[in-house]
Amino acid sequence: TQLLEQSPQFLSIQEGENLTVYCNSSSVFSSLQWYRQEPGEGPVLLVTVVTGGEVKKLKRLTFQFGDARKDSSLHITAAQPGDTGLYLCAGPPGTNAGKSTFGDGTTLTVKP
Amino acid sequence: NAGVMQNPRHLVRRRGQEARLRCSPMKGHSHVYWYRQLPEEGLKFMVYLQKENIIDESGMPKERFSAEFPKEGPSILRIQQVVRGDSAAYFCASSPPGRIQETQYFGPGTRLLVL
Repeated sequence: TQLLEQSPQFLSIQEGENLTVYCNSSSVFSSLQWYRQEPGEGPVLLVTVVTGGEVKKLKRLTFQFGDARKDSSLHITAAQPGDTGLYLCAGPPGTNAGKSTFGDGTTLTVKP
Repeated sequence: NAGVMQNPRHLVRRRGQEARLRCSPMKGHSHVYWYRQLPEEGLKFMVYLQKENIIDESGMPKERFSAEFPKEGPSILRIQQVVRGDSAAYFCASSPPGRIQETQYFGPGTRLLVL
């Protein structure tokens, strides 16, 4: 079973600060997905990274896939209260006999 | 194009009752996945189904839990004789046929509370 470890588990910052959350594994993934989940809702896909070393930007969010495709990071610039939520990284469904491997997530709170 | 739909959104059951959770995948999607989530935790895989077939149920408890995805109609996750430890959010996701590497799209979840 391929495991994904996310850090930190909890992060509480002030509006305007920058932050980085990490997703690490000892296994190689063909791609990684990042999701954001708000309380009471299902996860919403933010991005899929596919190529080792790839960097994708989504407004103030920057996603990076490690060169060896074993890790990924999410950097948020000038965080806003609307960024508050649970951030999850996941391997694709086909990686592990059909099931998607999820990290336990990083719970981000951005205070106004 | 409607997204993944789940109902009910909230379900309250007493110990020993049955819970039936429904999931309608996105139009054109034939792969369905069920996950369970406890508060402030990630999603734990339960079962992966294609139309009329269970592909992988390695994450599902051996007793009391079952899942189906019939040729017609939604996928059903059924929990018999519920216990308090079954209280959790249950999410369904779907992906298109053919390319197993496709990203999954999640429904809003069913929050089960067992009293």
